[in-house]
Amino acid sequence: AQKVTQAQTEISVVEKEDVTLDCVYETRDTTYYLFWYKQPPSGELVFLIRRNSFDEQNEISGRYSWNFQKSTSSFNFTITASQVVDSAVYFCALSDPNDYKLSFGAGTTVTVRA
Amino acid sequence: DGGITQSPKYLFRKEGQNVTLSCEQNLNHDAMYWYRQDPGQGLRLIYYSQIVNDFQKGDIAEGYSVSREKKESFPLTVTSAQKNPTAFYLCASSFRGDNEQFFGPGTRLTVL
Repeated sequence: AQKVTQAQTEISVVEKEDVTLDCVYETRDTTYYLFWYKQPPSGELVFLIRRNSFDEQNEISGRYSWNFQKSTSSFNFTITASQVVDSAVYFCALSDPNDYKLSFGAGTTVTVRA
Repeated sequence: DGGITQSPKYLFRKEGQNVTLSCEQNLNHDAMYWYRQDPGQGLRLIYYSQIVNDFQKGDIAEGYSVSREKKESFPLTVTSAQKNPTAFYLCASSFRGDNEQFFGPGTRLTVL
């Protein structure tokens, strides 16, 4: 069975602070994909990144960066120099390689205060 | 513009009534999905369909039904058998064999 745990329910920071969101996953599969999605107040999920299990390189995209560590089954997400527009719920998800279903974590609500 | 549309954005129904949520996509995606989101919880899969005229139950299919008569459309019916239907419902789609899913804006259903 696949499981994704986002232990942080809510994080509140002041603008320009860095914020790191934790994601720990469980799977018996050797091939799998990990995702991060952003859900702004409008409700629509916005795709941020996909990482396959064979690629452990860290990824940076603007103010966003991701740290994938297979040894600890973690795929953490950092927002550098946070902005008010980063306020949203962020979901980590794991893909089933057999039928491409996504298993989501409970989400972390990030609030960035001006 | 290509995308996924869900209508309406807000829906109110009386208890005991069936209600159908619309999901349409013009991305030429083969696969479509329905998720339910409750406060403080992640998304849970209700039903999914990889091709037209075929669909499978997800983790919480009880009290829901779907159809997939056209590639572009995947309507979800919330039946009176669903014990707690008030929730935010999200539709998604993807190319078959691709696990990157694109999401619609969602429908917030409130059963009074």
